[in-house]
Amino acid sequence: GQNIDQPTEMTATEGAIVQINCTYQTSGFNGLFWYQQHAGEAPTFLSYNVLDGLEEKGRFSSFLSRSKGYSYLLLKELQMKDSASYLCAVADSNYQLIWGAGTKLIIKP
Amino acid sequence: GAVVSQHPSRVICKSGTSVKIECRSLDFQATTMFWYRQFPKQSLMLMATSNEGSKATYEQGVEKDKFLINHASLTLSTLTVTSAHPEDSSFYICSARTVARDYEQYFGPGTRLTVT
Repeated sequence: GQNIDQPTEMTATEGAIVQINCTYQTSGFNGLFWYQQHAGEAPTFLSYNVLDGLEEKGRFSSFLSRSKGYSYLLLKELQMKDSASYLCAVADSNYQLIWGAGTKLIIKP
Repeated sequence: GAVVSQHPSRVICKSGTSVKIECRSLDFQATTMFWYRQFPKQSLMLMATSNEGSKATYEQGVEKDKFLINHASLTLSTLTVTSAHPEDSSFYICSARTVARDYEQYFGPGTRLTVT
């Protein structure tokens, strides 16, 4: 079967760094996405990885290891507005997104 | 670019009535549109995939006669919740995909449906 695992909830301090992990098992792989979703809002695109390695985009970075079925999202210099759910999704062989349950990130002052 | 709109953003209806939700791609042609449902504190659940001009493909457990999807053009898809019940109350989100960037989905802002 297809499976995406990520922690349910994480807590971090404003100004710190946090890493959200995602492991996956899917039928086919056409890339891994990270989305941010604030409560009551639709997801917004953060990153897309299809090759191994680290993609950096401002305060956010995303890493992928296809051989390990593993990705992480790294958030630096955390701000209160980063409090949200972070969704990991994998595009399968049909480019259909398989979604993880999301990680709720709580930022404390 | 790649903006998707949804209308209405919030709707309250009485049990037994039908509600139509529109999803539009404003500045691109969406070859495929997706409809998701999200209950509080849960992840997105794909309901159906629709391609322009063809019938939607529904996920297992989603009643196609209850959730009617029409993808009449490359910029518009509609979801009609028929004979709504309180358990249909949820956050409905559409997304759209283009041929040019077929790996990415662009999400609409969502529609909060409350059935009383």
